Order: sequence, then structure tokens, then C-alpha cells
Amino acid sequence: GAGVSQSPSNKVTEKGKDVELRCDPISGHTALYWYRQSLGQGLEFLIYFQGNSAPDKSGLPSDRFSAERTGGSVSTLTIQRTQQEDSAVYLCASSLSSVLNSPLHFGNGTRLTVT
Amino acid sequence: TQLLEQSPQFLSIQEGENLTVYCNSSSVFSSLQWYRQEPGEGPVLLVTVVTGGEVKKLKRLTFQFGDARKDSSLHITAAQPGDTGLYLCAGVYNDMRFGAGTRLTVKP
Repeated sequence: GAGVSQSPSNKVTEKGKDVELRCDPISGHTALYWYRQSLGQGLEFLIYFQGNSAPDKSGLPSDRFSAERTGGSVSTLTIQRTQQEDSAVYLCASSLSSVLNSPLHFGNGTRLTVT
Repeated sequence: TQLLEQSPQFLSIQEGENLTVYCNSSSVFSSLQWYRQEPGEGPVLLVTVVTGGEVKKLKRLTFQFGDARKDSSLHITAAQPGDTGLYLCAGVYNDMRFGAGTRLTVKP
């Protein structure tokens, strides 16, 4: 079956532009996470969606970052007025269960470069 | 400040050697997961440990969860070049938080 799909795989943008990153989770997965990974680093938590509950936005680094999840499926991470420090790989993961120790299934990420 | 501290940050060894990497926190986890990530891909789950003192084995990999559920270790026996990758631990709090990882290189 299809795994988590992220698009685009690579995005180069100029400083100050807005970008949208898309995540298609595995069908039926109720939980969806966004993480950011800078070169050679671990994963920085950004936001967590669980079913119809209000998302956990505690990891978003600034108000330039926002995310939506429409219909409990596809999610879009939007970065407004991009800065060079936003350059990183943005990873999306989904999980079948609302139980927090359910395994996360990751996409291959979107590599964002801000010039 | 990392909620989960992983050590060492980098490890380069020869094929056939044994190694242990560590994941530590001052907080208690309800459970902890280990993932491995290869370049250009997302992390892939290796194991979940739930009970304090729990030991799980996955072929040449042995995972241990500390009695107090604040720390964990991953031991690899007779490492192979295919073990090369970034090893990440993830602790369950209100959501899932990751450590910075241990980057392992196994030379043939």
C-alpha cells in the first residue's frame, strides 16, 4: 500500500516568499505530525494533529508558520515570508492510532532551500 | 535544549565491532521508540519499549529501557556496513519528541 507522500520533494525559494508543503498521510491514519530536520540534526517537533481535536501547535517556531489538516487527511504546512534559517528538510509522519506509542510512518520529506 | 540527549553524537567503527548508543532524559517516558534514518529518507521504526527494565532484541540489535523509564540504550553486536545511519530515540510525552540522534558509520 501507499506510504506517506510529501510534495514537493525539493523546493528552492527566495527569501521573503511564502511556501506551501503538502503531506498525504496513510489512509485511515488519525494522527499526523510535522517535524523539521536541519542538516545533520535530529527532528524538531512542529505540530501534531489528532483526529478532530485542536492541533498541538507548541512546536511552531514563529507566527510565520501555520498548518492545516483538511477533512482529517491531507495536511499543508505554510511558511510565510521565508527566511534563510527556515532552510531544512520538513518531514511529515502519520500514525494509525490515537495511542501515542503507535509507530510513526514518515514520508521522505521536503527539502526547503531559502536563498 | 534537547528534551532527549543522545550520545555519542557521532560514532565511526570497523565492521565486526560492537557498540552502544544512549538516550537520556530527566523526565519519565510513558514509552520510547528507536528509529533509524538513512540519507534522503524518513526515519523508520526499529522498536518500541514500554515497561521499565524491558529488553528487546531485533537480530543483532538489543534495546533496553531503564528501570525508571528515563533512559534507554541500543547495543549492536558485530556491526555491519548496512547498519550505517542516523539512530534516533523518541519519547512519548503529550506528543512525540525526538533526540538529536547518533550518526553511526560502519566501515568495511
